[in-house]
Amino acid sequence: DIQLTQSPSFLSASVGDRVTITCRASQGINNNLAWYQQKPGKAPKVLIYIASTLQSGVPSRFSGSGSGTEFTLTISSLQPEDFATYYCQQLNSYPYTFGQGTKLEIK
Amino acid sequence: EVQLVESGGGLVQPGGSLRLSCAASGFTFSNFWMSWVRQAPGKGLEWVANIKQDGSRQYYVDSVKGRFTISRDNTGNSLYLQMNSLRAEDTAVYYCARVVGKKIDPGQDDSGWWDWLDPWGQGTLVTVSS
Repeated sequence: DIQLTQSPSFLSASVGDRVTITCRASQGINNNLAWYQQKPGKAPKVLIYIASTLQSGVPSRFSGSGSGTEFTLTISSLQPEDFATYYCQQLNSYPYTFGQGTKLEIK
Repeated sequence: EVQLVESGGGLVQPGGSLRLSCAASGFTFSNFWMSWVRQAPGKGLEWVANIKQDGSRQYYVDSVKGRFTISRDNTGNSLYLQMNSLRAEDTAVYYCARVVGKKIDPGQDDSGWWDWLDPWGQGTLVTVSS
């Protein structure tokens, strides 16, 4: 199984900050990686797919990059509505796996 | 509007069974793979199962193989998850999600796909407890 390791697990930041979350895969995943945002009590929603493609309707302050086994999600200028938990997911081979999540909190 | 609505969750005793349903609307259901993903209370996301458009292929996480069965009814635009021999560790919110894909090489019949899950339903809670 492909393991995904997200870092950090917790992140405290302020409105306006630039933040980066990293997702490392235990083997190559052909850029078959998606990022999701989940707010408390809500279903996840996709932000980025194919490692760097922004989902329609998602603000441009979100961006994804990376290749091979290392990927990043960057939020260029944090807004109040961005405080949530973020997950990466590989969909290159079964079983699909998720990172353990990064909880982004207000400083 | 593309929408997925889960139902069927509830309280069940260890060793019991439950069938979850997911009603799809707003898109051609039979054109898409579908997924179930779960989230234990206070924990992260875990992919559970996928099913192909025509139901001919299914994939499962090891922890549910032999106990859970994913199925679909394309006529009724519904996805199902039959859960047998339930354990306390199966307690979770269960989400259904549509698998959206893009062919990596459109010129190749046997090309792989890039996939992502969108949208997700609101989830249904399954609690396994005596």
